[in-house]
Amino acid sequence: DQQVKQNSPSLSVQEGRISILNCDYTNSMFDYFLWYKKYPAEGPTFLISISSIKDKNEDGRFTVFLNKSAKHLSLHIVPSQPGDSAVYFCAATFTQGGSEKLVFGKGTKLTVNP
Amino acid sequence: DGGITQSPKYLFRKEGQNVTLSCEQNLNHDAMYWYRQDPGQGLRLIYYSQIVNDFQKGDIAEGYSVSREKKESFPLTVTSAQKNPTAFYLCASSIRRGTNYGYTFGSGTRLTVV
Repeated sequence: DQQVKQNSPSLSVQEGRISILNCDYTNSMFDYFLWYKKYPAEGPTFLISISSIKDKNEDGRFTVFLNKSAKHLSLHIVPSQPGDSAVYFCAATFTQGGSEKLVFGKGTKLTVNP
Repeated sequence: DGGITQSPKYLFRKEGQNVTLSCEQNLNHDAMYWYRQDPGQGLRLIYYSQIVNDFQKGDIAEGYSVSREKKESFPLTVTSAQKNPTAFYLCASSIRRGTNYGYTFGSGTRLTVV
């Protein structure tokens, strides 16, 4: 049962345009949502997060939007740069049995073309 | 089914003791990683290995050690030098080359110092 879903395995955009990465989830108990970026042969790096009590968080070129009624979040990158080309993972945290759990989507490969 | 197995799920350590966390994968992935998750923070990379008998320090390697004697195994030792070891530890693996980037996480080990 996949609790965090990234339905688009890949996305290609032109440099300077907006990149929108989407993520859907099923568990209403998630308390934080996170986005990670991963380059080939490297571990993922934390990008931006949002608490479940917020609907928007912005950090420079990156903005994450949370729509709780639709159980959907998205990451916007504006403007997109070739260096943004990487795999992006959506993740969510929740507490179960006193322990924090971390659930990841399968990732979306973003390619930004010069 | 292929996947990553981390054991144990919960581990308690007395101060001054070394403990080893197990990570085994049967996905035939080349690269393996260890991450640490603390509440409210993103994943932080401890060590990673791209091939057998080779590994690299991540962002927070101090107080940890690893080995990669077999492709399928990447154990992490938390030494007594790690000042704040209580955390949630995630192991992951990925395909190192080709267009299939498959990145898989284990279910984690919760380490508590008592």
